[in-house]
Amino acid sequence: KAGVTQTPRYLIKTRGQQVTLSCSPISGHRSVSWYQQTPGQGLQFLFEYFSETQRNKGNFPGRFSGRQFSNSRSEMNVSTLELGDSALYLCASSSGTSGINEQYFGPGTRLTVT
Amino acid sequence: GESVGLHLPTLSVQEGDNSIINCAYSNSASDYFIWYKQESGKGPQFIIDIRSNMDKRQGQRVTVLLNKTVKHLSLQIAATQPGDSAVYFCAELAARGYQKVTFGTGTKLQVIP
Repeated sequence: KAGVTQTPRYLIKTRGQQVTLSCSPISGHRSVSWYQQTPGQGLQFLFEYFSETQRNKGNFPGRFSGRQFSNSRSEMNVSTLELGDSALYLCASSSGTSGINEQYFGPGTRLTVT
Repeated sequence: GESVGLHLPTLSVQEGDNSIINCAYSNSASDYFIWYKQESGKGPQFIIDIRSNMDKRQGQRVTVLLNKTVKHLSLQIAATQPGDSAVYFCAELAARGYQKVTFGTGTKLQVIP
């Protein structure tokens, strides 16, 4: 079974631009969660999507948004990029059904904002 | 508010010795804890989990201990190997049934051959 894939793996943008990151979950998984990882803040939860609906949200500004498609693939968008948005963005998939499900992480997208 | 933290940022261990990585949490309502391993250039990988109604759980070469009285979690790795070198995160599940996970800042484990 293929793992979680994320594209692109690396991205360089300038301040003020916007960016869209993509995540393809493991086949059959309906939940996709997004995380931001930085050396100073560690791993921080952005949001979770399940069956095309945002089910949970972390404490990030509205510039961070996401969506999920009917095939469970998810995209994350960051508008008006700031230098502080430079980070590794990870997505994780799980079955998402009731109870606690093991999350499987992708390799991440390394975003650098200059 | 909720916080999950780690006592030591870096831990150096001789190959073959046992490793103990510690974690403190503050949300007494959390009912699920997870340890992840993250190798360089990769995403976190699930190692072992434990529910709040347990105090110990064992896996292959790993044991997680939970002390709810002092809100402390530890990961023990037996016979540490070079391949165990990575950053280890503890995490708590803040909302039952959902995937909002709060991670600690991580401990880097260095195995000395």
